[in-house]
Amino acid sequence: EVKLVESGGGLVRPGGSLRLSCASSGFIFNAYSFNWVRQAPGKGLEWVSYIGSSSISLHYADSVKGRFTISRDNVKNSLYLQMDNLRDEDTAVYYCARDRDGDFVYPEYFDLWGQGTQVTVSS
Amino acid sequence: IVMTQSPLSLPVTPGEPASISCKSSQSLLHSNGDNYLDWYVQKPGQSPQLLIYLASTRASGVPDRFSGSGSGTDFTLKISRVEAEDVGVYYCMQALQIPLTFGGGTKVEIK
Repeated sequence: EVKLVESGGGLVRPGGSLRLSCASSGFIFNAYSFNWVRQAPGKGLEWVSYIGSSSISLHYADSVKGRFTISRDNVKNSLYLQMDNLRDEDTAVYYCARDRDGDFVYPEYFDLWGQGTQVTVSS
Repeated sequence: IVMTQSPLSLPVTPGEPASISCKSSQSLLHSNGDNYLDWYVQKPGQSPQLLIYLASTRASGVPDRFSGSGSGTDFTLKISRVEAEDVGVYYCMQALQIPLTFGGGTKVEIK
C-alpha cells in the first residue's frame, strides 16, 4: 500500500524543540520530492517546507525560516522536520505531502498526504 | 501571492452542479504556458487530497465530474453533478512562487 505515516508530535513548551518524522511505504521514496504542510486548529492549510529528491533544493515559509529544518534519509525512506524555538503559533496538525516524481527546484503539487501529527506548543 | 476563494460556504443539492472561484493577487501563468494552480479537498476527518493540478489536469483517480479551468488570476473548480461524498472543504493553492499559498477554503455541504 502506498502511504505516508507521520510521527513525533506532542506537547512542548514555547522555546522547545520537536523532530517530526514521516515514514513512507509502497513507492520509491528517493525518486520523489516532499513537503510539510500544517493546519492550525479550525484553520486552513499552510505550506511549511519543501525538499527535492536529492536534498539540494530546500525551501521554507517565512514564518519558520531559521527555526525549522527539513531533511530526508533515502536509505530509511523517511522525511523529517526539525522544529526549534517553537512558538504558540506553531500549534497545528503537521502533514507530510509527496510532490512530483523527480528532483525539481520548486514544489508543484501534493499527490499523497499522510494522516498528520499534532504539535501543541503551550506553557 | 494572496489567494481568495468564494463563496465561503456552498450549500448544494445532490445531482446539481457546483462552482467555486479562486482568484490570485498575481498571475499564475508561467512562461512555459502552464498555470500553477492546484485544487485540494479535505473531507470531514480526513487529510487533504489532490483533485486538480496545473489548473485543469485531474489527478489520478479523480472522477470526471470534477473539472478545473481558468488562467492568469481567475480560476474555477466545477462539479458537474454533486454527490453526497463530495462534502468537505475545498482549497486552491498557487505553486508559481515560494512561499506556496492556499486560499481560505470553501465549505461544500449538502442542503
